[in-house]
Amino acid sequence: DAKTTQPPSMDCAEGRAANLPCNHSTISGNEYVYWYRQIHSQGPQYIIHGLKNNETNEMASLIITEDRKSSTLILPHATLRDTAVYYCIVRVPPPGGATNKLIFGTGTLLAVQP
Amino acid sequence: NAGVTQTPKFRVLKTGQSMTLLCAQDMNHEYMYWYRQDPGMGLRLIHYSVGEGTTAKGEVPDGYNVSRLKKQNFLLGLESAAPSQTSVYFCASKQPNQPQHFGDGTRLSIL
Repeated sequence: DAKTTQPPSMDCAEGRAANLPCNHSTISGNEYVYWYRQIHSQGPQYIIHGLKNNETNEMASLIITEDRKSSTLILPHATLRDTAVYYCIVRVPPPGGATNKLIFGTGTLLAVQP
Repeated sequence: NAGVTQTPKFRVLKTGQSMTLLCAQDMNHEYMYWYRQDPGMGLRLIHYSVGEGTTAKGEVPDGYNVSRLKKQNFLLGLESAAPSQTSVYFCASKQPNQPQHFGDGTRLSIL
């Protein structure tokens, strides 16, 4: 199973872009990169996912390197409410075609400072 | 639209007691999951289900049982609670090839 590595914590000034890195050097060709976040005392919230190309939605942008061994989640204008733990996850291929389980690591605690 | 609802939100048990956690989703999702989250750790998958009447083991299934008798509900049972099962439990659901949607968790303490 592909494993991800993220820094344990990062700070970002309010209004600035937050760039959260993730390494997934053992990713295989058919595995997607997913990003979730968890605000204190709440359930995880889906942010974005991608396979090869860069992706953007109303919450964030996802930049995946050409060799797919790393990616960066970008929050373009961080607010205090973006303070959370951010999880980078590689979707595990299902054994026997069952389902795609998500394996969560310990994530990055992003602290947005006023 | 309620999404994923977990019941109860908090519970305290004594060692050896049994209980059932309920997860209900109103999005007609096929797949459902139970995770646990311990301090300083990410979520770990306990059991999951790919459809009504089916269940499968995740990373940490020991000490738990599950049932999916109805598509919208996924029950997690502790037959004989142990202090090591003190945790926050999250339920999630999804459609194939779509992201998982999570509930807000059940905080369980076992004394």
